[in-house]
Amino acid sequence: EVQLVESGGGLVQPGRSLRLSCAASGFTFDDYAMHWVRQGPGKGLEWVSGISWNSGAVDYADSVKGRFTISRDNAKNCLYLQMNSVKSEDTAFYYCARDFDRWLVQGYFDNWGRGTLVTV
Amino acid sequence: DIVMTQSPDSLAVSLGERATINCKSSQSVLYSSNRKNYLAWYQHKPGQPPKLLIYWASTRESGVPDRFSGSGSGTDFTLTITSLQAEDVAVYYCQQYFSTPPWTFGQGTKVEIK
Repeated sequence: EVQLVESGGGLVQPGRSLRLSCAASGFTFDDYAMHWVRQGPGKGLEWVSGISWNSGAVDYADSVKGRFTISRDNAKNCLYLQMNSVKSEDTAFYYCARDFDRWLVQGYFDNWGRGTLVTV
Repeated sequence: DIVMTQSPDSLAVSLGERATINCKSSQSVLYSSNRKNYLAWYQHKPGQPPKLLIYWASTRESGVPDRFSGSGSGTDFTLTITSLQAEDVAVYYCQQYFSTPPWTFGQGTKVEIK
């Protein structure tokens, strides 16, 4: 069974940093691209960032570009999101999601974690 | 960026009745070379992770009940729940994955029981 478990959320002051983690199990982690998607209070889903299977390609939403960094450790089956210079508008549940493909192009998200709450 | 617009924002349907959600993209998500529409539908219940229902506009994900179906092509798409069950109460999102980044979602449609 595919499992994605996020952690690292919490209360952080504006301008500070936070690192989110997503532990993956139940599948071959390095066969898939991965993403972070967030949902702010009373808002819909917003894609934040994605990374290819080998970290060769990364993408960011304009709203976080230059502040957030996505990375992965295939040996540890873990996805990360380093959040720097956080703003109040970054307050949201952050979900990690698996892409159906290994490359960071034109993929839908076939499995999601339960999310971790970040409050700025 | 491709903008996804869903309608209605919310709807209330009686148990056993049909629910229809529309999704319109600001540009076509149909890839001419393979004739596939790069459009997915997700179901999101409170306190749970979003769940993939439909991809390629009309392909049901494994394990999704057949009362859920997707249709449409180009810029106009529909998610239909043919016989609404209590467990279908959720917010439903469409998403395009044709022109990325960014991957973009509709604003969501909340489905409730009348």
